[in-house]
Amino acid sequence: AQTVTQSQPEMSVQEAETVTLSCTYDTSESDYYLFWYKQPPSRQMILVIRQEAYKQQNATENRFSVNFQKAAKSFSLKISDSQLGDAAMYFCAYRIPSGTYKYIFGTGTRLKVLA
Amino acid sequence: DAGITQSPRHKVTETGTPVTLRCHQTENHRYMYWYRQDPGHGLRLIHYSYGVKDTDKGEVSDGYSVSRSKTEDFLLTLESATSSQTSVYFCAIGTGPGTEAFFGQGTRLTVV
Repeated sequence: AQTVTQSQPEMSVQEAETVTLSCTYDTSESDYYLFWYKQPPSRQMILVIRQEAYKQQNATENRFSVNFQKAAKSFSLKISDSQLGDAAMYFCAYRIPSGTYKYIFGTGTRLKVLA
Repeated sequence: DAGITQSPRHKVTETGTPVTLRCHQTENHRYMYWYRQDPGHGLRLIHYSYGVKDTDKGEVSDGYSVSRSKTEDFLLTLESATSSQTSVYFCAIGTGPGTEAFFGQGTRLTVV
């Protein structure tokens, strides 16, 4: 069964510094999609970044980038130049690429940004 | 904006009462999902649907049922609410094989 693991329940980062959130997953599929979501205190689920497994290039969205290591089944999120508004819960997710197309989520990492 | 609305947004109910949460989408997306979010557990799938009257169980389906009689509506029912079902419930839709899930605003349910 597919699983997603986020081993860091909580992380802290100084404003303007860089932080990396870890995510590992388990799958026997070769083509799939991975996502990072941000959940601020408003409870809204916001897509941060998407990675397609068949693409070698790591996805980047402004200050957010991923380190996608397919062989290691690792999908970490790097936030550069951290801002107070980055404080939130971050969830890693995997989408089953066929059949049910279910989304499997990790347990989340709470990121605190220190001024 | 994928046009997803959850209702109600907040609800307090008593143990043993039935509760129905509604998820409504304004577009005709095939895949809809119900998750619950609890501290330390992330989002866990309760039930999902891949078409009208086509539903299946997720990993935490005990005590929950769903119905989808129209493409735009996906209902989650707690037949007899228990305190362990106190949670935040999210509805989500999948718009295509490679796309992200789009979420509703969530429903905070408290069972007292």
